[in-house]
Amino acid sequence: DIQMTQSPSSLSASVGDRVTITCRASQSISTYLNWYQQKPGKAPKLLIFAASSLQSGVPSRFSGSGSGTEFTLTISSLQPEDFATYYCQQSYNTPFTFGPGTKVDIK
Amino acid sequence: QVQLQESGPGLVKPSQTLSLTCTVSGDSISSADYFWSWIRQHPGKGLEWIGYIYYTGSTYYSPSLKSRLTISIDTSENQFSLRVSSVTAADTAVYYCARYSSSSGGNWLDPWGQGTLVTVSS
Repeated sequence: DIQMTQSPSSLSASVGDRVTITCRASQSISTYLNWYQQKPGKAPKLLIFAASSLQSGVPSRFSGSGSGTEFTLTISSLQPEDFATYYCQQSYNTPFTFGPGTKVDIK
Repeated sequence: QVQLQESGPGLVKPSQTLSLTCTVSGDSISSADYFWSWIRQHPGKGLEWIGYIYYTGSTYYSPSLKSRLTISIDTSENQFSLRVSSVTAADTAVYYCARYSSSSGGNWLDPWGQGTLVTVSS
């Protein structure tokens, strides 16, 4: 199975901050990488697919980049509604696997 | 707008079979464009992809669960289902269903159902 790691595991930030989360794959996955946002008690929501494509309806302050084994999710200016846990997921090989998550909370 | 809704018992006894159904609205489950997936999340933990089914009945199961897993589809009811046999406390989780899109550029899960908590306990 392809192992996914994320860093940091958690971070504290203020509204307006630029936030970057890194996801690494144990082998090359090209750009078969998705990012999801999950708020407490809610289902995950797709933010970014294919490493850098913004899902319809997702604010443009979210962006994704990377290929191969290293990827980043960037929130250009953190908003109050962005405090959540973010997961990366590889869809290159089955079984599709998720990263352990990065919790973003209020500083 | 496509929506997915999980349903089924919230409590299952150890060694019994967990059964859940996902009802899809706003889209045909017979669409050739999508696969239909199950994912679970243990309490306070990360996400685990369980498997998926295509409208033809073709399935893929996670190797870690394959021996206990059945995913089926009912195109007449626009539903797909999950069965996990011989459950233990380790199967206690929130179970989500989701639509899985596949293209030459990637594959992704969207949208997701709201999730349903299944507790395995006597």
